[in-house]
Amino acid sequence: GQNIDQPTEMTATEGAIVQINCTYQTSGFNGLFWYQQHAGEAPTFLSYNVLDGLEEKGRFSSFLSRSKGYSYLLLKELQMKDSASYLCAVLLSGGYNKLIFGAGTRLAVHP
Amino acid sequence: DVKVTQSSRYLVKRTGEKVFLECVQDMDHENMFWYRQDPGLGLRLIYFSYDVKMKEKGDIPEGYSVSREKKERFSLILESASTNQTSMYLCASSQGQGVSYEQYFGPGTRLTVT
Repeated sequence: GQNIDQPTEMTATEGAIVQINCTYQTSGFNGLFWYQQHAGEAPTFLSYNVLDGLEEKGRFSSFLSRSKGYSYLLLKELQMKDSASYLCAVLLSGGYNKLIFGAGTRLAVHP
Repeated sequence: DVKVTQSSRYLVKRTGEKVFLECVQDMDHENMFWYRQDPGLGLRLIYFSYDVKMKEKGDIPEGYSVSREKKERFSLILESASTNQTSMYLCASSQGQGVSYEQYFGPGTRLTVT
């Protein structure tokens, strides 16, 4: 079976750092995506990791450990506009770009 | 700028009606996907298509069918709508079959079945 776990909700303060964790158990693995979704809007791509380690992109970084089935998304210098849901998704083997999504983590950033 | 559009943002239908949800992408992508998104469950794959007239079942295909007659258009059909199909429906597309191709999402259709 396929299982992806991430916290349901998190809160943080403007200017702070927050880490959103994702653990997965899937039959096949070809990489892990993070998407951001503001309320009522489409998910938008944030990052993709296929090799172990940290990928940095501006204020956002994503980490992957394939041996542990673990990833995290790190958001630095939080801004109010970062209040959104963050979706972890595993790309399965077998082509066709098939993704399995976690339930998402709703992040609320407070002043 | 890449674009995935869906025919309606909001839709209200009655139980038993046949419902069509349309999705169009302008990026010449091979792959197209239909998901539903429910609170606490995340995005779940209903059907996907990797070429014109080709389709594959996702994780929750029961009660749904799809059609892809043209590369840019992927339709989701609810043959006889039921109240448990009330949900947010999201369409996505991606390029080719390479492992690193992200999916681009449409704005979603919030369907209510009464």
